[in-house]
Amino acid sequence: DQQVKQNSPSLSVQEGRISILNCDYTNSMFDYFLWYKKYPAEGPTFLISISSIKDKNEDGRFTVFLNKSAKHLSLHIVPSQPGDSAVYFCAAIKDGNQFYFGTGTSLTVIP
Amino acid sequence: DVKVTQSSRYLVKRTGEKVFLECVQDMDHENMFWYRQDPGLGLRLIYFSYDVKMKEKGDIPEGYSVSREKKERFSLILESASTNQTSMYLCASSFSYNSPLHFGNGTRLTVT
Repeated sequence: DQQVKQNSPSLSVQEGRISILNCDYTNSMFDYFLWYKKYPAEGPTFLISISSIKDKNEDGRFTVFLNKSAKHLSLHIVPSQPGDSAVYFCAAIKDGNQFYFGTGTSLTVIP
Repeated sequence: DVKVTQSSRYLVKRTGEKVFLECVQDMDHENMFWYRQDPGLGLRLIYFSYDVKMKEKGDIPEGYSVSREKKERFSLILESASTNQTSMYLCASSFSYNSPLHFGNGTRLTVT
């Protein structure tokens, strides 16, 4: 049973515009959420995280929003750049070390 | 910077062979993990380890085993490779509770 879901397999955005990647989860016991970025033939790299006690975390062009009542997580990238083209995975942590990953969204930023 | 190194980027093995995938991390992390990544299925946890000599099954342990004899090294073993084990295998480590995973570059295994 997929506890973390990314319902959009792909997303295309024009360079300079905002990219919004979405993630839904079902388990209210998750206490930490993360986003990873993955280029082809490389391992995922950690991008940004948010604790369940917060609703927003920002790091440069990347902002993660958490809506606990809706069990929804989103990653905003502003402005989007061609180098942001990659697969993005959201992940949730339960009990400190149990990671649950979504199936990924492939972002293409068009120059 | 944390470095997680997987010994092979690409491997081709025959059905029935015993396959060893090696992973080493250089940051004294307690926790190590093996995932496989398949299109449309995301990352699925095979095994993980919180300490030397310790291992726990993940979501899809069937057909796999692991070994952690030293803190920095975590090996994944395919006892008798099958074609449905063709996949990208990713090793990861983390420092502690609620810490991000740091991934290696992956091993693309093809079983023919």
